[in-house]
Amino acid sequence: AQKITQTQPGMFVQEKEAVTLDCTYDTSDQSYGLFWYKQPSSGEMIFLIYQGSYDEQNATEGRYSLNFQKARKSTNLVISASQLGDSAMYFCAMRAVTGGFKTIFGAGTRLFVKA
Amino acid sequence: DVKVTQSSRYLVKRTGEKVFLECVQDMDHENMFWYRQDPGLGLRLIYFSYDVKMKEKGDIPEGYSVSREKKERFSLILESASTNQTSMYLCASSFPHAPSLNQPQHFGDGTRLSIL
Repeated sequence: AQKITQTQPGMFVQEKEAVTLDCTYDTSDQSYGLFWYKQPSSGEMIFLIYQGSYDEQNATEGRYSLNFQKARKSTNLVISASQLGDSAMYFCAMRAVTGGFKTIFGAGTRLFVKA
Repeated sequence: DVKVTQSSRYLVKRTGEKVFLECVQDMDHENMFWYRQDPGLGLRLIYFSYDVKMKEKGDIPEGYSVSREKKERFSLILESASTNQTSMYLCASSFPHAPSLNQPQHFGDGTRLSIL
């Protein structure tokens, strides 16, 4: 069965520091996609960054980057230079062929940025 | 920019009522999805649709149905609302028609539904 695990229910980070949010996944597929979404208190889910299973480079988008370790089946999100506006829920998600291309989500990590 | 609009941000209904949640997207996306979000459980897929008049069950379809009569609109129906359906409901859309691994989903703002 496919599964996404986010073991950190909550995280605190000081403004301007970097923070890493953990995500591990389980799939027997060789081809899959990994996503991170941000959900502010307003409720909407915002797509942040994508990593394909065959991508050799770690994905980066502005202050967001992924530490993708395929052998360990982990795709941790790194947010550099945290800002107060980064306070939100963060969800890791995966889509694979075996799952019928449905996206499965982790339970989320709530990030609090302190001034 | 893709816009996914859910008809209500907050909704309060009574047990046994038939409840309609509406979702409209303006980017001509083929794929549309309904999720419910509960603390500690993340998002769980209720139903999805890859085309007009087409629907597929997700992981938790019991107690729900959907309707997709037009490409831009995907409705979630609670046939007889129960208190365990109190939750946050999120609608999403994506492109292209053929299932892909790399296309992100675009979400609406969510509907917080309370069943009393």
